[in-house]
Amino acid sequence: AQTVTQSQPEMSVQEAETVTLSCTYDTSESDYYLFWYKQPPSRQMILVIRQEAYKQQNATENRFSVNFQKAAKSFSLKISDSQLGDAAMYFCAYRSEGAGNTDKLIFGTGTRLQVFP
Amino acid sequence: DGGITQSPKYLFRKEGQNVTLSCEQNLNHDAMYWYRQDPGQGLRLIYYSQIVNDFQKGDIAEGYSVSREKKESFPLTVTSAQKNPTAFYLCASSPRTSGPYNEQFFGPGTRLTVL
Repeated sequence: AQTVTQSQPEMSVQEAETVTLSCTYDTSESDYYLFWYKQPPSRQMILVIRQEAYKQQNATENRFSVNFQKAAKSFSLKISDSQLGDAAMYFCAYRSEGAGNTDKLIFGTGTRLQVFP
Repeated sequence: DGGITQSPKYLFRKEGQNVTLSCEQNLNHDAMYWYRQDPGQGLRLIYYSQIVNDFQKGDIAEGYSVSREKKESFPLTVTSAQKNPTAFYLCASSPRTSGPYNEQFFGPGTRLTVL
């Protein structure tokens, strides 16, 4: 069974600085997708960024980028130029792709990010 | 506006009572999901449905039941058999196309408290 581990329950960063959130996963599959979701205090889950396992190039979305290391099964999220609105819980998630895929997401336990002015 | 609605936002239940959480989507998505969120445990899958009139148990289905009579609706019933039902419940849907853009869209959630 696949598992997702986020080893940092809490992180903090100063406004305008850069922070990296860690995520590791375990799988025997070769085809899959990885996601980072943001859950602000409103508790609405918002997709931040996605990565296809077959792509070597790291995904980027504006100030958000990932460092995807497939061999190490690592998928970290880097937030550049942090803003107060980035304060939230961040969840790493895994989804299989292939025959019999049920589109289920497997989530890590989350990292709470605080942003200080 | 297209999206997912969950009602009510807050729900209180006495021990021994069944309660139903509503989830409706107008995104024309085939698949729908129910997750439970507890502090420090992330999101755990309760039930999911990939098509109308069909659904499967997730990782923590005991004490819960669902139905999928319409594409737009996927209500979750928390039964008296659920031993610790106080939690935040999130509903999601996805279009079930292949590839990375088959993302799940989430509703705003329902906070259930057992008194």
